[in-house]
Amino acid sequence: KNQVEQSPQSLIILEGKNCTLQCNYTVSPFSNLRWYKQDTGRGPVSLTIMTFSENTKSNGRYTATLDADTKQSSLHITASQLSDSASYICVVTGSGSARQLTFGSGTQLTVLP
Amino acid sequence: DAGVTQSPTHLIKTRGQQVTLRCSPKSGHDTVSWYQQALGQGPQFIFQYYEEEERQRGNFPDRFSGHQFPNYSSELNVNALLLGDSALYLCASSPWTGGVIGELFFGEGSRLTVL
Repeated sequence: KNQVEQSPQSLIILEGKNCTLQCNYTVSPFSNLRWYKQDTGRGPVSLTIMTFSENTKSNGRYTATLDADTKQSSLHITASQLSDSASYICVVTGSGSARQLTFGSGTQLTVLP
Repeated sequence: DAGVTQSPTHLIKTRGQQVTLRCSPKSGHDTVSWYQQALGQGPQFIFQYYEEEERQRGNFPDRFSGHQFPNYSSELNVNALLLGDSALYLCASSPWTGGVIGELFFGEGSRLTVL
């Protein structure tokens, strides 16, 4: 069964600190991995999309890494801001079709002043 | 450039009733997908529409149906509502890429509460 596991489930950090969120998956075959940011009660917003051949991708203060051999990804947030408080969702695409998108349950990040 | 818009934003129904949710895709997008997101969970794929036809479907019962109009907007209908249907319903649009999902742009969602 295709699964995407994220850790930690929740995380609290102080403003200005860095943090790293983890994503492990069992989806096969693998097409791409996406990270989304979802503010409470809002729709997810895309941060990065990585294919098999990419092992790192940045979007401002967000840097995603991918190890397709170990089926692990991480999202590193640098110099956190209060606006980073949100749920971060890892999504893995299997064959590439819409039906093959497997969403993780997300990591709830809280940034405190 | 308007993004993906959904309506209504919130609604309350009772068990057994029917509900219709609406979605207008981002300008230039012709493919619409619907997702159900229970509290504290990731979204679950319901179905995808392109050229007014359902192209792919997730593991949802026939109580969940949809429609796409010539202007690419879409509706999600849920019949015989159950308490477990309470969730945030997300619409996402993308350009059609032959069934391979491209970058998704999500709307803000419709929060459905079933009492």
